[in-house]
Amino acid sequence: EAGVAQSPRYKIIEKRQSVAFWCNPISGHATLYWYQQILGQGPKLLIQFQNNGVVDDSQLPKDRFSAERLKGVDSTLKIQPAKLEDSAVYLCASSLGTSGRVYNEQFFGPGTRLTVL
Amino acid sequence: RKEVEQDPGPFNVPEGATVAFNCTYSNSASQSFFWYRQDCRKEPKLLMSVYSSGNEDGRFTAQLNRASQYISLLIRDSKLSDSATYLCVVNGGTYKYIFGTGTRLKVLA
Repeated sequence: EAGVAQSPRYKIIEKRQSVAFWCNPISGHATLYWYQQILGQGPKLLIQFQNNGVVDDSQLPKDRFSAERLKGVDSTLKIQPAKLEDSAVYLCASSLGTSGRVYNEQFFGPGTRLTVL
Repeated sequence: RKEVEQDPGPFNVPEGATVAFNCTYSNSASQSFFWYRQDCRKEPKLLMSVYSSGNEDGRFTAQLNRASQYISLLIRDSKLSDSATYLCVVNGGTYKYIFGTGTRLKVLA
């Protein structure tokens, strides 16, 4: 079974530039997450989708970050304009999101390592 | 107080040692608890879920203490390959998971 795919794997940009990340979750997984992981810290949830609807985006800096999941499958995360503090690994994860179960294991993609200069 | 707190370590232990990590959580309504493992420059992967009665998987034992709001992970007979960061994860809502900072473990030869 194919895992969660992310691209690009690495990106270097200058501050104030724009960048976009792409994620393709495991087939059939209804829930998709974007996390930001700064070096030495645990992943921090940015946004969570259930199918193509947003469940939680309370920690997404909406003045510069945006995300969409059209058709409930692939997702893109965009930063515009980037700041130095956005340097981090951006992880996409997916889970079945089956209602009635307390927990659905999350499967993570390899991440996109962003460096903002 | 952070929602999920872990000692960042590092814990440096010799091969064969037993090591234990704790993780405290603030939301008493949390229902699900997990340990993930993250290798350097890799993505997190589920190590084990933590059940109310405690559970064991080979050399790994997880415990939950609801009264004191913490979970623990015990690793027996540590191997060099156990060197990684161990992330505590707590369910904070419908399909929502809150990660701790992680505890770094280095097993020394």
